[in-house]
Amino acid sequence: EVQLSESGGGLVQPGGSLRLSCAASGFTFSSYAMNWVRQAPGKGLEWVSAISGSGASTDYADSVKGRFTISRDNSKNTLYLQMNSLGAEDTAVYYCAKIPDYWGQGTLVTVSS
Amino acid sequence: QSALTQPRSVSGSPGQSVTISCTGTSSDVGGYNYVSWYQQHPGKAPKLMIYDVSKRPSGVPDRFSGSKSGNTASLTISGLQAEDEADYYCCSYAGSYSYVFGTGTKVTVL
Repeated sequence: EVQLSESGGGLVQPGGSLRLSCAASGFTFSSYAMNWVRQAPGKGLEWVSAISGSGASTDYADSVKGRFTISRDNSKNTLYLQMNSLGAEDTAVYYCAKIPDYWGQGTLVTVSS
Repeated sequence: QSALTQPRSVSGSPGQSVTISCTGTSSDVGGYNYVSWYQQHPGKAPKLMIYDVSKRPSGVPDRFSGSKSGNTASLTISGLQAEDEADYYCCSYAGSYSYVFGTGTKVTVL
């Protein structure tokens, strides 16, 4: 059974940093590109970032480019999202996703003083 | 990276059919056959309903179907049921590992 489990969310002050993790199981993690998708309270889904199976290629939404860094450790079957210079607009539930088929349950990031 | 355009809401009576449109550009919807549709109930993670434009994952009722013409994809729910009331999002591959989501549509069962 495929499982994606996010962790690392929480309350952070504006300008702060946070690192999210996503533990994957039930599939050959290194064979697939992975994504982070977020959803602000009461808003729609927004694709944030993606990384290739090897980790050699990455892409970012314009809204996070230069502030967020996606990475992965295929030896640990884990995906990461390093988030820096956080602002209120980054408050959201962050989902780890193997688009299109598998999604985690999400972790809430709240940016507030 | 503009969001795909979906109607804000659609509604129908039980047993009726509703169709949700998802309009993008030749750089996303029109350029790839990688459109997926998700159902999301309040407080829950998105659930995959359709992938690769028209394929249905195991366990998804055949009342759900997808199609695409040019830069517009569509999700049709036939024989609407009360449990279909939810938010629906389309998603398209947009090249270079990136994706774009639709603005979301609230389906109401009258």
